[in-house]
Amino acid sequence: EAQLLESGGGLVQPGGSLRLSCAASGFSFSSYAMAWVRQAPGKGLEWVSAISDRGDTYYADFMKGRFTISRDNSKNTLYLQMNSVRAEDTAVYYCARDAPGASHHFDYWGQGTLVTVSS
Amino acid sequence: QSVLTQPPSVSAAPGQKVTISCSGSSSNIGNNNVAWYQQLPGTAPKLLIYDNNHRPSEIPDRFSGSKSGTSATLGITGLQTGDEADYYCITWDASLNGGVFGGGTKLTVL
Repeated sequence: EAQLLESGGGLVQPGGSLRLSCAASGFSFSSYAMAWVRQAPGKGLEWVSAISDRGDTYYADFMKGRFTISRDNSKNTLYLQMNSVRAEDTAVYYCARDAPGASHHFDYWGQGTLVTVSS
Repeated sequence: QSVLTQPPSVSAAPGQKVTISCSGSSSNIGNNNVAWYQQLPGTAPKLLIYDNNHRPSEIPDRFSGSKSGTSATLGITGLQTGDEADYYCITWDASLNGGVFGGGTKLTVL
């Protein structure tokens, strides 16, 4: 069965940088689009970014060039480089696998990694 | 403020039926299929419905989905206390060139 394991979260100061990783196993990672979804404390789900199996990237407007999604198929790993972080970026960040089908949706999720932006 | 509008909360008694709406526009729901998620506190979201009205094999047929125009609806029949959770719709938005979630709906089973 597919498994996703995020890492890299933690406490970071405003204006700082952080790189999240998502290690994938149990499926052919290179064949799937992947995404990051976040959830601020007590708030709803927020779509952050996605990357196709070919490496095409998509971003939510709020990131305004601060975040970069990437993947290393040789390591079965998805990344999210977060720069110039703000307090409002505090959230649990989930890695998710884009599922087959006509709708944009995810069939497997990681357990999430908490990013806290605070001085 | 999400581009997909859901009611903040809905409630119903055990055994009853409830519907949760997700309203969008031609750039998202109007031209793309919709999926629905259930999220219990402290857990990752669980896929309930994809492609507007398809259920993963492990999801009971008490859960159903539909879409008409620029709106989608999740239906839950035979409500159980275990259905108390937050529910989210998601689709692709062509104008934003990205995915969008609804704001979420908290279901209370009275």
